[in-house]
Amino acid sequence: DTAVSQTPKYLVTQMGNDKSIKCEQNLGHDTMYWYKQDSKKFLKIMFSYNNKELIINETVPNRFSPKSPDKAHLNLHINSLELGDSAVYFCASSQGGGGFTDTQYFGPGTRLTVL
Amino acid sequence: AQRVTQPEKLLSVFKGAPVELKCNYSYSGSPELFWYVQYSRQRLQLLLRHISRESIKGFTADLNKGETSFHLKKPFAQEEDSAMYYCALSGRNGANNLFFGTGTRLTVIP
Repeated sequence: DTAVSQTPKYLVTQMGNDKSIKCEQNLGHDTMYWYKQDSKKFLKIMFSYNNKELIINETVPNRFSPKSPDKAHLNLHINSLELGDSAVYFCASSQGGGGFTDTQYFGPGTRLTVL
Repeated sequence: AQRVTQPEKLLSVFKGAPVELKCNYSYSGSPELFWYVQYSRQRLQLLLRHISRESIKGFTADLNKGETSFHLKKPFAQEEDSAMYYCALSGRNGANNLFFGTGTRLTVIP
């Protein structure tokens, strides 16, 4: 089944903890992304990454860091979790080196709840 | 800076009625515009893009550069169209980042 997958689907954790969300795509795409969807359903880009370049949205705290062990994976690490980090996080991927017309394919999302 | 505005958070229409979801954008260059849809319990997926000039599931969207709009339209709404719709913009400024509007939840009343 070709797709973008994320694990876990739900993540509940305490403030101050460090957690990771994994993302894998088997579409052979070159570029991957992380988005955050807040409680008001607003989707905001956090990172885009291909094997050449990591582009970070300047509003993202440095507690968030993407890590890519290979082209098919882009994991999201979050240190010292805060209440405001509670959201749904979406991974996405697109073919090519990040051309602006590339269609992005989204994972199912990970709902993170920080208590 | 780029911005996408969807003025309606919620929109309800009766089955068979025409539907229009509004989207306005702000961008200094020539953007690529998209509509994404998220059905209940499903992942976000591309509905259509302006560069393709296609009709998907009966939906069309025309890019109006003069009004900086990319409204999504369908002449006869169906119950299965009920979903969350996001207008998105991608610009020629390096990374293929999508900038999303806040979304419109469409409910089609039987």
